[in-house]
Amino acid sequence: QKEVEQNSGPLSVPEGAIASLNCTYSDRGSQSFFWYRQYSGKSPELIMFIYSNGDKEDGRFTAQLNKASQYVSLLIRDSQPSDSATYLCAVTYKAAGNKLTFGGGTRVLVKP
Amino acid sequence: NAGVTQTPKFQVLKTGQSMTLQCAQDMNHNSMYWYRQDPGMGLRLIYYSASEGTTDKGEVPNGYNVSRLNKREFSLRLESAAPSQTSVYFCASSPDRRGLAGGPGDEQFFGPGTRLTVL
Repeated sequence: QKEVEQNSGPLSVPEGAIASLNCTYSDRGSQSFFWYRQYSGKSPELIMFIYSNGDKEDGRFTAQLNKASQYVSLLIRDSQPSDSATYLCAVTYKAAGNKLTFGGGTRVLVKP
Repeated sequence: NAGVTQTPKFQVLKTGQSMTLQCAQDMNHNSMYWYRQDPGMGLRLIYYSASEGTTDKGEVPNGYNVSRLNKREFSLRLESAAPSQTSVYFCASSPDRRGLAGGPGDEQFFGPGTRLTVL
């Protein structure tokens, strides 16, 4: 069973601080890595994707991938109350036809 | 572009009733997926369609059937609804570069969801 693990939280951060979310995965064959944001009662929204080792920055978000250690992380800089949501990590591996395997999500609370 | 659309948004069924959830995408994506999301269980794949004319089982296919009507549309049918099928159902689509190494094209985009209650 290929697994994706996340701390369920809640991760409480003060407004303006950096939120750091981690995700580990079990399958070394994983090739594509995604972060989705899901507000309560809404559908998952893609915010970041990364395919190669290293960092990828997009606005206030930075995704970090380390395939050797099998983890992917998401940093949210200058956290805002609107960042309060559940963040889902997802990975794919080609042998399974690009199906996404999701982690359980980390709930983030940004306090003003 | 509307992206991925789903109908209905809400539905209440009685045990044993049948219904079809509709999903359509206007992004010319090859692959489409049906997920269910339950508290404490996360998102689980029910069925997927890698391309028009093909469908395959996911993690939790029992009690469901699907049809990939054309490239745009992918429907999910509950033939005899059970209370265990109470859930939020999401449809998703992806470009899918089919056969190439991981990279752009693997990302999935989700519809707004259908909240289903089976009494």
